[in-house]
Amino acid sequence: AQSVTQPDIHITVSEGASLELRCNYSYGATPYLFWYVQSPGQGLQLLLKYFSGDTLVQGIKGFEAEFKRSQSSFNLRKPSVHWSDAAEYFCAVGGTGTASKLTFGTGTRLQVTL
Amino acid sequence: DAGVIQSPRHEVTEMGQEVTLRCKPISGHDYLFWYRQTMMRGLELLIYFNNNVPIDDSGMPEDRFSAKMPNASFSTLKIQPSEPRDSAVYFCASSLGLAGVETQYFGPGTRLLVL
Repeated sequence: AQSVTQPDIHITVSEGASLELRCNYSYGATPYLFWYVQSPGQGLQLLLKYFSGDTLVQGIKGFEAEFKRSQSSFNLRKPSVHWSDAAEYFCAVGGTGTASKLTFGTGTRLQVTL
Repeated sequence: DAGVIQSPRHEVTEMGQEVTLRCKPISGHDYLFWYRQTMMRGLELLIYFNNNVPIDDSGMPEDRFSAKMPNASFSTLKIQPSEPRDSAVYFCASSLGLAGVETQYFGPGTRLLVL
């Protein structure tokens, strides 16, 4: 069965500081990996996704993520956080197959201090 | 495009009442998903459809929950009878292509409170 672990429930960083959110996955074949962001009171929005090619993926809002197969990880990074990045971040894993679906992690809530 | 549309945005009801949540997916999308989000359980996939046909309903909690998709532009999630533990935010999402591969576009959610 596929699964996603986001070990950090809550992270606080100062505006301008760098950010790394951790994600570990379990999937029996080649995974499709996603990061979504949820701002308060809103639905989820895709930040970036990976399924093949360059293991460093660029997304919207200056975010990037690196796929490391040996570590089963897909960590999200941003060099300099802005106050507007405060939100909840979800990692998800999916794949091909007629009954494929996304499995989401439990999320990491990011707080940004000024 | 207006994105995924959900109604109502907020619903307050009493235990035992029937609740119907509605969703209009993005035009042309062939997959539709219903999720439930709570503090305790996080984001759970309840059911998803492909071309209006239910593919996986293993996440539907119990027989009190039912979902339909009568056409490509409309879906409902019904809870009958509702219970306080059903209080949550319910999201509808749609995608173009395989459920585990393509980007899912989420609606704003329906916040349900069952008293």
